[in-house]
Amino acid sequence: GAVVSQHPSWVICKSGTSVKIECRSLDFQATTMFWYRQFPKQSLMLMATSNEGSKATYEQGVEKDKFLINHASLTLSTLTVTSAHPEDSSFYICSARTTGTYNSPLHFGNGTRLTVT
Amino acid sequence: SQELEQSPQSLIVQEGKNLTINCTSSKTLYGLYWYKQKYGEGLIFLMMLQKGGEEKSHEKITAKLDEKKQQSSLHITASQPSHAGIYLCGADIAPRSSSNTGKLIFGQGTTLQVKP
Repeated sequence: GAVVSQHPSWVICKSGTSVKIECRSLDFQATTMFWYRQFPKQSLMLMATSNEGSKATYEQGVEKDKFLINHASLTLSTLTVTSAHPEDSSFYICSARTTGTYNSPLHFGNGTRLTVT
Repeated sequence: SQELEQSPQSLIVQEGKNLTINCTSSKTLYGLYWYKQKYGEGLIFLMMLQKGGEEKSHEKITAKLDEKKQQSSLHITASQPSHAGIYLCGADIAPRSSSNTGKLIFGQGTTLQVKP
């Protein structure tokens, strides 16, 4: 149980275009999902907390107009990288915890490798 | 500065050898989670520790959280090539509350290679 599915697994886009990444909890509901970014050989940096039915909470230094997050249902959160530039190339990974279970681990998707040319 | 420090950053061991990875914080940890990651893939949950002095084992992997809840170690006994990957510790650094949504911060990871 507790499977998180992320799509696409990789995407290549041209500079200036927008890319949407989907994160789905397949067998549980998640009122909160977390979006992380990972650079090569570095740790996961939390970008934002996605809240179902309300605005996302962004970490300091993360541009909310650049990284649009929508959490329209209890099983789906999306991250849209708007007007992508080469410096946005990275590995993006989402995670979720079963609703109402604070003392449980985060479950992670398989990540999305974004390459902006 | 990194709130969670992991050491070593990388490790190469001969198959069959034991190894230990450490994760240290200057703050009290309200939950400590160990994950394994293959490069370019998602994180696989290994173990969760919450109480000071807690120790958990699964197969050949043992994780401990010290009494002060500021340091954790991950120990692998008789390592195998299948243990190779990136090990990450993640932590709650605040108690759960209505304002704490349960986000985790992560250490920088330890890359483990196991030579056959």
